[in-house]
Amino acid sequence: GAVVSQHPSWVICKSGTSVKIECRSLDFQATTMFWYRQFPKQSLMLMATSNEGSKATYEQGVEKDKFLINHASLTLSTLTVTSAHPEDSSFYICSARDGRTDYNSPLHFGNGTRLTVT
Amino acid sequence: ILNVEQSPQSLHVQEGDSTNFTCSFPSSNFYALHWYRWETAKSPEALFVMTLNGDEKKKGRISATLNTKEGYSYLYIKGSQPEDSATYLCASYGGNQFYFGTGTSLTVIP
Repeated sequence: GAVVSQHPSWVICKSGTSVKIECRSLDFQATTMFWYRQFPKQSLMLMATSNEGSKATYEQGVEKDKFLINHASLTLSTLTVTSAHPEDSSFYICSARDGRTDYNSPLHFGNGTRLTVT
Repeated sequence: ILNVEQSPQSLHVQEGDSTNFTCSFPSSNFYALHWYRWETAKSPEALFVMTLNGDEKKKGRISATLNTKEGYSYLYIKGSQPEDSATYLCASYGGNQFYFGTGTSLTVIP
């Protein structure tokens, strides 16, 4: 149980275009979705936290106008990288939690998306 | 920001060997420590969630211990098998978010 499906697994786009990454919870209601980014040889860094039906909370240094997060339903959250530039090339991964769990419960991750901006 | 460190960064062991890795985290404001196994092209899979000092958890050949006073956790794998090859991530919950280590990449050589 507790499967999170993330698409696409990898994407190559041209500089200036936008890319949308989707995360769907398949068998539970994802009340909260976390979006992480990982640069080579670095740890997963939290970008933003979104709760269904409300605006995302962004971590310091993450541009909310560049990384648009939508969490309109309990099973779907999207991250859109707008006007992507080569420095946005990274690995993006989501994790979800339902409303009944807290830090004592494991996170359920997607497979991640490798974004390359040319 | 919490500094969570894992060592070693990578290691290669022979099939059948036992091995262990370390996760260090700030001991102040500690809530929980998570271990995940992350195989290539898959999603991180939860191994253990630990909260109490002195906690020991076991799942088959894999076990983990937790010392919250000194801020470290050990993950042990007994009799490593090729299917244990993966990156092992730890994450410490610091009150408002999880802070991850960079992982230990384990390769088990048949």
